[in-house]
Amino acid sequence: GEQVEQLPSILRVQEGSSASINCTYENSASNYFPWYKQEPGENPKLIIDIRSNMERKQTQGLIVLLDKKAKRFSLHITDTQPGDSAMYFCAASSGGLSGKLTFGEGTQVTVIS
Amino acid sequence: DTTVKQNPRYKLARVGKPVNLICSQTMNHDTMYWYQKKPNQAPKLLLFYYDKILNREADTFEKFQSSRPNNSFCSLYIGSAGLEYSAMYLCASGDGGGNERLFFGHGTKLSVL
Repeated sequence: GEQVEQLPSILRVQEGSSASINCTYENSASNYFPWYKQEPGENPKLIIDIRSNMERKQTQGLIVLLDKKAKRFSLHITDTQPGDSAMYFCAASSGGLSGKLTFGEGTQVTVIS
Repeated sequence: DTTVKQNPRYKLARVGKPVNLICSQTMNHDTMYWYQKKPNQAPKLLLFYYDKILNREADTFEKFQSSRPNNSFCSLYIGSAGLEYSAMYLCASGDGGGNERLFFGHGTKLSVL
């Protein structure tokens, strides 16, 4: 199976600063790493993902980095806004029907105005 | 706008009584998943359907049943609820492929008393 550790569990940042969440995984066969955002009362939504053939991906104020050697991947939210306050989950999978997504425990991000 | 719907949003159940949770998706996805989410824990995969084939995780094999009468619907059934079943239950459908993306419903919060 797979184990994913996510840190920190709680993150408070000042509006306009950046927020970083780090995840590590154990299974070297994992090749897909999505990030989900869950706002209060809402369903988790995919915000960005990265596959093992990439080291960096960026979209709309989000940057994900993948270090396969260290089995580590991270999410960086640049120029945080109040709307970025949410629970964020990282996940990893090795793909196919036998490689289902394993989630981290989540990071509660609060952006302070 | 969510195309994965779960009913009900909140469910109260008595210890020893059965519980049936419902999920539907309109995206014609082949795969549907059920996750259990407890506070401060990662979403935990319980089981998933690929088409008509049910796959249950080994450590929760005897605790949960499921049925999928057609492509759009999937249920999660607890034969005799215990206090430890109190949790958020998240349904998701997958868009297929080697590393499929998951689309989650809002979840059903089950409280067992």
